Amino acid sequence: AQSVAQPEDQVNVAEGNPLTVKCTYSVSGNPYLFWYVQYPNRGLQFLLKYITGDNLVKGSYGFEAEFNKSQTSFHLKKPSALVSDSALYFCAVRVDTGGFKTIFGAGTRLFVKA
Amino acid sequence: DGGITQSPKYLFRKEGQNVTLSCEQNLNHDAMYWYRQDPGQGLRLIYYSQIVNDFQKGDIAEGYSVSREKKESFPLTVTSAQKNPTAFYLCASNLGSQPQHFGDGTRLSIL
Repeated sequence: AQSVAQPEDQVNVAEGNPLTVKCTYSVSGNPYLFWYVQYPNRGLQFLLKYITGDNLVKGSYGFEAEFNKSQTSFHLKKPSALVSDSALYFCAVRVDTGGFKTIFGAGTRLFVKA
Repeated sequence: DGGITQSPKYLFRKEGQNVTLSCEQNLNHDAMYWYRQDPGQGLRLIYYSQIVNDFQKGDIAEGYSVSREKKESFPLTVTSAQKNPTAFYLCASNLGSQPQHFGDGTRLSIL
């Protein structure tokens, strides 16, 4: 079965420290991978994507993610966290089932403490 | 400004009542989606549509219905058959393999 796992419900970091939000996936074929962020009572906003090419992908607001094919991972990273980065983060994988369905992880809540 | 508009922002359903959630996009996207979000469960796909007058069931379609009469519009009806409708409902759209654009959601509660 195709799936996306975000093993941490919550990640706590201090402002200025680096942050990592983990994501692993299980799909057949080549995945399209995405990270989205959600603020309270809002829809999801796109952060970055990996389709092909360089394994290190840079996105919005200073975030980046590293695609690791052997570990089937796509962890989200940022060198220096801001309090305003506190939000709910979703990893997603798009699979070609004849309808290009997107599977979302359960989400990881990031708390950045001042 | 292009985007997706969901209305209403908050909706209350009485027992035995059908309610319809609106989703309109002016992004000229072909595909549209409805998701249900419950705490700790991520997003679950209810229905999706890749072209006008065609749509497919997602993972949790029971108790819901949709229509796609216009490219811009993809309304979701939560029927009385949906016994646990309290959730945050998100509409999204995209073009091809591009990332999905999301509306700001409708929060449905039971009276």
